[in-house]
Amino acid sequence: DAMVIQNPRYQVTQFGKPVTLSCSQTLNHNVMYWYQQKSSQAPKLLFHYYDKDFNNEADTPDNFQSRRPNTSFCFLDIRSPGLGDAAMYLCATSRTGAAHVYNEQFFGPGTRLTVL
Amino acid sequence: AQRVTQPEKLLSVFKGAPVELKCNYSYSGSPELFWYVQYSRQRLQLLLRHISRESIKGFTADLNKGETSFHLKKPFAQEEDSAMYYCALSGTGNQFYFGTGTSLTVIP
Repeated sequence: DAMVIQNPRYQVTQFGKPVTLSCSQTLNHNVMYWYQQKSSQAPKLLFHYYDKDFNNEADTPDNFQSRRPNTSFCFLDIRSPGLGDAAMYLCATSRTGAAHVYNEQFFGPGTRLTVL
Repeated sequence: AQRVTQPEKLLSVFKGAPVELKCNYSYSGSPELFWYVQYSRQRLQLLLRHISRESIKGFTADLNKGETSFHLKKPFAQEEDSAMYYCALSGTGNQFYFGTGTSLTVIP
């Protein structure tokens, strides 16, 4: 089945130790998103890629970076995780086309990051 | 600026009772509105979108541009409807904004 896959599902890192979360998709969607979701809060968009174009949200900390080496894969790099970065990280994809086409997002299961 | 507001964090209704989950939005232009649902231990998934005017699992939502609302309704709640519901807005530039979510519990 076509889907959005996130690895690992659970990630533990130490304070200040760089960590990379990965997302892959078999939907061939041109847009990929990364969200941060803390407990009892709404998913918060960090950034997204429209094809190869990177679009950062204004309030996303510099500590968060992303790479998209090809259509299928997208990575979230946290350079120096702090305790406040512990959260669920969601990857999503969507397909855009003509202006009238709604851009429904398809979500991965998420990676729960713990920072010790 | 808060673009999507869901005023109720928690909502409980009895099985068979009508349910309405409220959503208000703030956005200039013509946004697209969605309802996403997350059942226990499952991924976030689309429930319905305003552009298709469909009914999914008995749920409907009408976009009211005058009141800037997109409330989710179902006439008879079922136990399997218990989940977290997020209202979401899609704007220009592939931006996406989620509300804070409403946790619905349907009491048997």
